[in-house]
Amino acid sequence: DAKTTQPNSMESNEEEPVHLPCNHSTISGTDYIHWYRQLPSQGPEYVIHGLTSNVNNRMASLAIAEDRKSSTLILHRATLRDAAVYYCILNDSGGSNYKLTFGKGTLLTVNP
Amino acid sequence: NAGVTQTPKFQVLKTGQSMTLQCAQDMNHNSMYWYRQDPGMGLRLIYYSASEGTTDKGEVPNGYNVSRLNKREFSLRLESAAPSQTSVYFCASSEVDWSNQPQHFGDGTRLSIL
Repeated sequence: DAKTTQPNSMESNEEEPVHLPCNHSTISGTDYIHWYRQLPSQGPEYVIHGLTSNVNNRMASLAIAEDRKSSTLILHRATLRDAAVYYCILNDSGGSNYKLTFGKGTLLTVNP
Repeated sequence: NAGVTQTPKFQVLKTGQSMTLQCAQDMNHNSMYWYRQDPGMGLRLIYYSASEGTTDKGEVPNGYNVSRLNKREFSLRLESAAPSQTSVYFCASSEVDWSNQPQHFGDGTRLSIL
């Protein structure tokens, strides 16, 4: 299974943009890129996912490199509520959803 | 909307006791999942149910059983609890089990086994 590499932690200031990187150099052509986040003492929360093109939704944007070997989750204006662990996950589109594999993620700290 | 509801939220057991963790979703989803999360770690899949009437093992199924009671409910049973099963347990659901479908998670059951 393709794996992802994320920084252990990142820090941001409130109301500033945040760019969370993810490397997935062994990604296959059929792997979706999913992002989830987990706030303290809560279950993971779906953020966004994409295959090849950049994606936007009300929570964030996902920028996917042209060679798909890396991606960046963009929070346009960080708030204190965005402090969480962010998980970048690959999921084979040829397979089942049960293949979601959560690594250790990136702990995002947002400073007021 | 409640989404995914897990009960209980907290539980302490003694080694050897049995317990069933309950999960219900109100989103009419077909697929449901059970994960465990140990301190400082990511989630690991225990069992999943792609649709009503089916269940399959995930990454760490030993020591657990599951029942997909109906479309809404998916329970996880520990027959003889062991300290190694101390963890936070999350239930999730998705519309179908295809890889481009987001999973929706409950807030977890925090289980301690003494």
